[in-house]
Amino acid sequence: EMQLVESGGGLVQPGRSLRLSCAASGFTFDSHAMHWVRQAPGKGLEWVSGLSWDSGNIGYADSVKGRFTISRDNDKNSLHLEMNSLRPEDTAVYYCAKGNGPRTFHYGMDVWGQGTTVIVSS
Amino acid sequence: DIVMTQSPTTLSVSPGERATLSCRASQSVSSNLAWYQHKPGLTPRLLIYAASTRAPGIPARFSGSGSGTDFTLTIGSLQSEDFAVYYCQQYDNWPPWTFGQGTKVEIK
Repeated sequence: EMQLVESGGGLVQPGRSLRLSCAASGFTFDSHAMHWVRQAPGKGLEWVSGLSWDSGNIGYADSVKGRFTISRDNDKNSLHLEMNSLRPEDTAVYYCAKGNGPRTFHYGMDVWGQGTTVIVSS
Repeated sequence: DIVMTQSPTTLSVSPGERATLSCRASQSVSSNLAWYQHKPGLTPRLLIYAASTRAPGIPARFSGSGSGTDFTLTIGSLQSEDFAVYYCQQYDNWPPWTFGQGTKVEIK
């Protein structure tokens, strides 16, 4: 069974940092693009960042560019999101998601984790 | 950035009726569009990709159509488990990928 499990969320003060992780299992991790998507309280889904199977192609939403860094470790089947200079508007549930289809950015995201909650508040 | 606009914001439908949800892109995304279902407290679920291809395990009552800038998700006969929020998402042009604001399908 394909599975994604996020960790690392919590309460953090504005301006501080947090690192999210996502452990993948049940599929060939190094063949798939991976993404982070978030949902702020009462809001819709927002794509945050994604990277290709070989980390050669990386993208960020404008709202997090320059503050967040996505990375992956294909040897450990893990995805990470380093979040710096956090703002109250970064408060959200953060989902890790798998790209649908091997070695492609097409076809959306077909497996999602349960999410980890990040609260940025003083 | 490509802006995705969904309509209506809320759709009230009786069980067994048909539901039609719309999604419009601010510029052409070809057929590079996905639909997701999201229920409170659960993880989002991929329904449709490539505008009209059902994801594995998705019931046949869900169908997608459209290309370019205008897309439709149709739920043929609403079941109780279908009441949820539905999002369209373009993956034609990144970064960023963009979602619509969502359509909530509620029981009439």
